[in-house]
Amino acid sequence: DAGITQSPRYKITETGRQVTLMCHQTWSHSYMFWYRQDLGHGLRLIYYSAAADITDKGEVPDGYVVSRSKTENFPLTLESATRSQTSVYFCASSARDRIITTKNIQYFGAGTRLSVL
Amino acid sequence: RKEVEQDPGPFNVPEGATVAFNCTYSNSASQSFFWYRQDCRKEPKLLMSVYSSGNEDGRFTAQLNRASQYISLLIRDSKLSDSATYLCVVSDQAGTALIFGKGTTLSVSS
Repeated sequence: DAGITQSPRYKITETGRQVTLMCHQTWSHSYMFWYRQDLGHGLRLIYYSAAADITDKGEVPDGYVVSRSKTENFPLTLESATRSQTSVYFCASSARDRIITTKNIQYFGAGTRLSVL
Repeated sequence: RKEVEQDPGPFNVPEGATVAFNCTYSNSASQSFFWYRQDCRKEPKLLMSVYSSGNEDGRFTAQLNRASQYISLLIRDSKLSDSATYLCVVSDQAGTALIFGKGTTLSVSS
């Protein structure tokens, strides 16, 4: 019962480098999400995806790129990392249902702690 | 106005105490409501969904007032293991994205 896994768990990189954070879920959930969590801001949505090949911007998408070629994977790429992107990144997934609203529950991965030096 | 606002905390209570957290949200068309719990350096985990009729899960009781756009969480007989940050969470109008409050920290001491 793997659920939702993120890799790497910890990453240190330098400004200007490209970094990709991986997210994989085994539930076949249609929706997947990327958040960042910073002190004083709480969890903020970066991007989300409703299905394979369908992605949409969240609250703070600038500097990030996502793709979803397969339902189970939703990688997040920082094209040119900046110090302001130092954060904890969480991936989440949900089944999503308009009628059964409890299916809007999101399940989170363990997070990736990213430091940009 | 922030979309989801919570008591700032922290709440420091002794074991056995009853503690209540409050939350207000700005989007009257929100569909789903939850309380999540987040332990230090861990991911958020669902504590309970919140229904209009109010609901209870053991020592935890959640209430929703749609007219006032207000959500509450009551914890009775607090345990040391209840120490965590509690996040008030509201869905957007479509029920797709979740909007998180900044959280309220609870510390239960012996």
